[in-house]
Amino acid sequence: LAKTTQPISMDSYEGQEVNITCSHNNIATNDYITWYQQFPSQGPRFIIQGYKTKVTNEVASLFIPADRKSSTLSLPRVSLSDTAVYYCLVGDMGQGGKLIFGQGTELSVKP
Amino acid sequence: EAQVTQNPRYLITVTGKKLTVTCSQNMNHEYMSWYRQDPGLGLRQIYYSMNVEVTDKGDVPEGYKVSRKEKRNFPLILESPSPNQTSLYFCASSSRGLETQYFGPGTRLLVL
Repeated sequence: LAKTTQPISMDSYEGQEVNITCSHNNIATNDYITWYQQFPSQGPRFIIQGYKTKVTNEVASLFIPADRKSSTLSLPRVSLSDTAVYYCLVGDMGQGGKLIFGQGTELSVKP
Repeated sequence: EAQVTQNPRYLITVTGKKLTVTCSQNMNHEYMSWYRQDPGLGLRQIYYSMNVEVTDKGDVPEGYKVSRKEKRNFPLILESPSPNQTSLYFCASSSRGLETQYFGPGTRLLVL
């Protein structure tokens, strides 16, 4: 299982683009990268998932370089409601049994 | 409405008194999992189940038991709770492990 490393915390202001990077040096060939968002006292919520290059949905973009040893979650024009903890998760879609979440990045968006 | 439910949401108990936290999902998911969350430690997986009658240890299984007799239910059992099991517990389910996981609302447990 690939271990992930993320910054513990980040600060931003409303309207800015926020990029959170996750390092996963031991990622395996079959591993996918998934990001979750968690608000205080709530369960995490799926944001985005990808394997390589770039994935975009209505909430975020996920950039994965060719070597796949890191990934960057990009949140465009954040608002106060984006203040949350963001988790990066790496695992094998085909097996997907044991899952390891990193410590997460606490994003604080200020007015 | 597709959801994962947990009961109870809050529980205060004493050391050694057996307890069960229930988890149920209505999405016909094969995969279910339990996590605990502690300040500064993020989410740590306790046990997971790939399907009925199939369970396996996660990262921190000591002191916990689970069972998966039916597809929709995955109870977490603490046979003899100790204060170090005071935590926030989440149940989750998905079609497969790394497919989108749906998390329950959490159970806050305090063991005195």
